[in-house]
Amino acid sequence: NAGVTQTPKFRVLKTGQSMTLLCAQDMNHEYMYWYRQDPGMGLRLIHYSVGEGTTAKGEVPDGYNVSRLKKQNFLLGLESAAPSQTSVYFCASSLSGQSYNEQFFGPGTRLTVL
Amino acid sequence: EDKVVQSPLSLVVHEGDTVTLNCSYEVTNFRSLLWYKQEKKAPTFLFMLTSSGIEKKSGRLSSILDKKELFSILNITATQTGDSAIYLCVMNAGNNRKLIWGLGTSLAVNP
Repeated sequence: NAGVTQTPKFRVLKTGQSMTLLCAQDMNHEYMYWYRQDPGMGLRLIHYSVGEGTTAKGEVPDGYNVSRLKKQNFLLGLESAAPSQTSVYFCASSLSGQSYNEQFFGPGTRLTVL
Repeated sequence: EDKVVQSPLSLVVHEGDTVTLNCSYEVTNFRSLLWYKQEKKAPTFLFMLTSSGIEKKSGRLSSILDKKELFSILNITATQTGDSAIYLCVMNAGNNRKLIWGLGTSLAVNP
């Protein structure tokens, strides 16, 4: 099992460019999450999904969109990148709502917006 | 406002030392408290605590929760260099699946 994988690992964007981060999990988990981690701040939830075809806003959703067309994949899109979106992005998954405390994380994507 | 405060922010010890990491919290609707370990990249789950006074143990790591005084501690005995990581305390608060993440304690274990 690969667990949770993220692509790409690193990316540099210019202000205004768009990109999509891909998260994939092979554990048949229902729930998936996107977080950002910034210095001096705890992990913050951007969006999450409780199942294929569903998405919901987290704590800091502005400037991001997500899609969950397949159960194993959760995509995070930045339509028009801004320097404030420079961060490390983590994807995570959990088996279900009952066990969402135990989340399995991907290795992260380091994004720099110039 | 729900919040999680961890202390100390960083700690440097020698192999074999015992360390205690602290987590205090304020939450309006407590569901559980979690500990995660973050090495170079992804956080990994350690413990979930829901009841006061019941110690959770995994090898050299143990944790306990005090819901009256609103804190938890994570103990690591006989530390090893492989314990070097950031330890994150997380509150599960409310019914909206919201996790409140602390800033973490950065532990460095020197040989």
